[in-house]
Amino acid sequence: DTEVTQTPKHLVMGMTNKKSLKCEQHMGHRAMYWYKQKAKKPPELMFVYSYEKLSINESVPSRFSPECPNSSLLNLHLHALQPEDSALYLCASSQGSGLEAFFGQGTRLTVV
Amino acid sequence: DAKTTQPTSMDCAEGRAANLPCNHSTISGNEYVYWYRQIHSQGPQYIIHGLKNNETNEMASLIITEDRKSSTLILPHATLRDTAVYYCIVSLDRGSTLGRLYFGRGTQLTVWP
Repeated sequence: DTEVTQTPKHLVMGMTNKKSLKCEQHMGHRAMYWYKQKAKKPPELMFVYSYEKLSINESVPSRFSPECPNSSLLNLHLHALQPEDSALYLCASSQGSGLEAFFGQGTRLTVV
Repeated sequence: DAKTTQPTSMDCAEGRAANLPCNHSTISGNEYVYWYRQIHSQGPQYIIHGLKNNETNEMASLIITEDRKSSTLILPHATLRDTAVYYCIVSLDRGSTLGRLYFGRGTQLTVWP
């Protein structure tokens, strides 16, 4: 199984809502990542988890809260988002020692 | 991390080789060159990587110049399904980066019939 599965595929939420994005991989990868991609822009790194511990936060606002419950799962909790946070959110995983990452298909988030 | 420069767009006839250039003139000795691509509305896909030597796999070939200041990704027989944005990324020694990928603007490759 070489897949990274993200749910949901699409999400529409209001600015006062709380929602979560989920990501799962069963490749035994030690590192997992969240990226944000705005339309017609390249993906931007948000968070890196290594061995279930948050190791890198690229100065992401606190309304985005990552969580890694176990080595296969990665969540991104969303609260009080703004319309400009609308984007494609991509999850990825890798062995951690290299840059051959596997990406999910992303969650397309719309904040209204 | 070293920066990369890629053409904004390229096109290629189906069945022909697609040669995508990348300049990375400030690359340092322990930085690898990685290539990813992203088909519209999908997640990026790893293609190939290299340090000094040319590399080939089932998807593509990577040619790195001797001075390592530039490289070329070659898709030997482009198909319509190869239409995508191709990203060239250079990054530090593999063990120190925790797999961090910093994407540049990439090249939009369009393969036409």
